[in-house]
Amino acid sequence: DQQVKQNSPSLSVQEGRISILNCDYTNSMFDYFLWYKKYPAEGPTFLISISSIKDKNEDGRFTVFLNKSAKHLSLHIVPSQPGDSAVYFCAASGGSGGSNYKLTFGKGTLLTVNP
Amino acid sequence: DAGVIQSPRHEVTEMGQEVTLRCKPISGHNSLFWYRQTMMRGLELLIYFNNNVPIDDSGMPEDRFSAKMPNASFSTLKIQPSEPRDSAVYFCASSLISWNTEAFFGQGTRLTVV
Repeated sequence: DQQVKQNSPSLSVQEGRISILNCDYTNSMFDYFLWYKKYPAEGPTFLISISSIKDKNEDGRFTVFLNKSAKHLSLHIVPSQPGDSAVYFCAASGGSGGSNYKLTFGKGTLLTVNP
Repeated sequence: DAGVIQSPRHEVTEMGQEVTLRCKPISGHNSLFWYRQTMMRGLELLIYFNNNVPIDDSGMPEDRFSAKMPNASFSTLKIQPSEPRDSAVYFCASSLISWNTEAFFGQGTRLTVV
């Protein structure tokens, strides 16, 4: 039972264009959502997050949108740069008791930004 | 702070041998997580500690896996006996518990069981 789904294993965009990475979730108890970026041979690094009381959070070139009714979030990167090429993981947390603080991850989307 | 430190970075072992992975969390963090990454299953949570106490170990695959956190600055994940299907990258992460939690990951241990 995959509670966080990233249905696109890979995405290729041209440098300077917008990258849109999508994520769906099934657990309505999730109330905090995060995006992580991962380069080969490194651990995931935190990129941006959003709480369920907001529908948008922006940090420089990165914006995360949350649509709670659709249980969907997306990460927009604009403009995309070759250095953004990495695997992007969507993660979520929330719920009762001890599950409130653990992160559930999607399987990731490999973003390739072509020069 | 040096971040979350994991050792070894790479481990190759023979089937049936015991494997111990080590993790030093970020100082002051009170939560520690062990994740396993595989192509098939992505990043899956194995076990989660809060204040050195295991809170959720429902992700531990079977009795061959065990994890300990004897103090706030050290944790181990042990596999005994190891099997080829345990081959994966194992990540340790730590965080400071709050409602808006982000976890900081180590660089991972790539385990190969032959």
